[in-house]
Amino acid sequence: GESVGLHLPTLSVQEGDNSIINCAYSNSASDYFIWYKQESGKGPQFIIDIRSNMDKRQGQRVTVLLNKTVKHLSLQIAATQPGDSAVYFCAEKNNQGGKLIFGQGTELSVKP
Amino acid sequence: SQTIHQWPATLVQPVGSPLSLECTVEGTSNPNLYWYRQAAGRGLQLLFYSVGIGQISSEVPQNLSASRPQDRQFILSSKKLLLSDSGFYLCAWRGNPVDMNTEAFFGQGTRLTVV
Repeated sequence: GESVGLHLPTLSVQEGDNSIINCAYSNSASDYFIWYKQESGKGPQFIIDIRSNMDKRQGQRVTVLLNKTVKHLSLQIAATQPGDSAVYFCAEKNNQGGKLIFGQGTELSVKP
Repeated sequence: SQTIHQWPATLVQPVGSPLSLECTVEGTSNPNLYWYRQAAGRGLQLLFYSVGIGQISSEVPQNLSASRPQDRQFILSSKKLLLSDSGFYLCAWRGNPVDMNTEAFFGQGTRLTVV
């Protein structure tokens, strides 16, 4: 769900390790989910998406997992690199009206 | 290819002054358009979205309004700015129909500081 008033949680990982970023969504009617990466002072950029009829989708170095039972989404980044340092947001689209609602976001920091 | 333009990139306005932020999309027709606001270190708050010309849905009651005078133009306005209106404003578009499962594409944002 939308938690825009809260400070972003942070995740710090060592370069080369795998990162897991979690997101809880609130609307069981949401049928499409997206992960975005936002670098400082820029607009969010698309990373990967998943439809509600799937539970896993893989991209280049990234995997998204969807657990509809507990309304949970995760983004896994393999072999995390310094260039992966950014804020990561999940977004959910409901199946009526096309609203796109963003989750709280997580700030990922990669240590060299 | 499709592109989205937002301007200005930065803006400093006094309290009580009006606001007009413009967003235009090129290379597509009848897009779904969105305005978001992001406070420093916070998430993205959906302010308005539009599925067509003259059709505006407001998500949060506030000191702002939106208009869509043309198919690919989305304007965010205020008659009198408040200090709390400061933030990073982002415009985004998605393809139609509105229930299609496609990602949103974002502009580069406008950093608004109300002083």
